[in-house]
Amino acid sequence: GEDVEQSLFLSVREGDSSVINCTYTDSSSTYLYWYKQEPGAGLQLLTYIFSNMDMKQDQRLTVLLNKKDKHLSLRIADTQTGDSAIYFCAENSGSARQLTFGSGTQLTVLP
Amino acid sequence: GAGVSQSPSNKVTEKGKDVELRCDPISGHTALYWYRQRLGQGLEFLIYFQGNSAPDKSGLPSDRFSAERTGESVSTLTIQRTQQEDSAVYLCASSLEASGGRAQYFGPGTRLLVL
Repeated sequence: GEDVEQSLFLSVREGDSSVINCTYTDSSSTYLYWYKQEPGAGLQLLTYIFSNMDMKQDQRLTVLLNKKDKHLSLRIADTQTGDSAIYFCAENSGSARQLTFGSGTQLTVLP
Repeated sequence: GAGVSQSPSNKVTEKGKDVELRCDPISGHTALYWYRQRLGQGLEFLIYFQGNSAPDKSGLPSDRFSAERTGESVSTLTIQRTQQEDSAVYLCASSLEASGGRAQYFGPGTRLLVL
């Protein structure tokens, strides 16, 4: 079945850029998503990208997609302490309605 | 309302009891999803509803789990004879329609603890 993998932890200094990586196995993935989860809260949709795109930028967020390598990344510019959270990568293919999630990357922003 | 709401926010129950969790989707969203998140893990799909179509129950882990939705409104997830391994956060999401690219918006979840 489909699988989505993420590294578990990332620490960065405040003001630096963060890059969170994700790999997936389903070659028919058509949409890929990034969600943010703060402690005790639900998931907040950050951004998503269609598989025919290589890049999408939204303010401090840049999503890069390498479809050949099935690799997705989320870059957060000028990382702030408020960015500390768990970031989930998720995908669905055109035929699937539900999302398949990675295990999440815990981002810690150090002062 | 402005977002997806869920109730209760927390639920503690004894093993063997039944529990009912509620989800109010965003108004106008025809698709509704239930996911389960175990501690320190990603989300597992449970079930989704799309309008009046038959729900996709392929993610339900056992016949103790069931869900209902009336039209395009509230949904309830019922867990019968709860077990300790059912302890998790149960998240509900809704989207404009159940098709690829329709972003899913999540509620805050119900934290279930089975003692």
